[in-house]
Amino acid sequence: QKEVEQDPGPLSVPEGAIVSLNCTYSNSAFQYFMWYRQYSRKGPELLMYTYSSGNKEDGRFTAQVDKSSKYISLFIRDSQPSDSATYLCAMSKGGSYIPTFGRGTSLIVHP
Amino acid sequence: EPEVTQTPSHQVTQMGQEVILRCVPISNHLYFYWYRQILGQKVEFLVSFYNNEISEKSEIFDDQFSVERPDGSNFTLKIRSTKLEDSAMYFCASGTGFTSGNEQFFGPGTRLTVL
Repeated sequence: QKEVEQDPGPLSVPEGAIVSLNCTYSNSAFQYFMWYRQYSRKGPELLMYTYSSGNKEDGRFTAQVDKSSKYISLFIRDSQPSDSATYLCAMSKGGSYIPTFGRGTSLIVHP
Repeated sequence: EPEVTQTPSHQVTQMGQEVILRCVPISNHLYFYWYRQILGQKVEFLVSFYNNEISEKSEIFDDQFSVERPDGSNFTLKIRSTKLEDSAMYFCASGTGFTSGNEQFFGPGTRLTVL
């Protein structure tokens, strides 16, 4: 079983839709959970991070972590065409600065 | 807003040649990283660098790779004898190491093509 699993998509939604992106993981030592956005031929850009279980909201973005299920989610409300990108989940163990990335989900928001 | 910069944006080299990829991290950051992303695959950690020495490295970071901080601003990745399978995007990242969530700021990447 891979440490971090993420459906590569693509996920295509109309503008204004609520988007749900998800990752599962197998290593219970992960404590920091991150979501990065990556535009084509650019470096990943950190969107959200959470520590342990719970929710975190930042504008149109909400990150959720369920450690008991080893499942994390990123919700995007009122999606815009500019949200079209690849979304990478990443996670790291406590005391480590090294994230393990998922493969990324390609999101397409069409007008 | 400060950002990580990388040069060159694209490097083409012949198999067996040495390449040096350059990065200028954000100026007050203390932790530096190299990652690679083979086309269509996930981002993979190569090495982290703190206090002028390697702090962690992955299995990918074998003897053909080395890193250096030759002065107060640059951070370089050297690949001694490139192989076809080294073709990938190489990302440099930097962080303070003090913010929760291990926040790292990534550069735009160098696309390495080995022929």
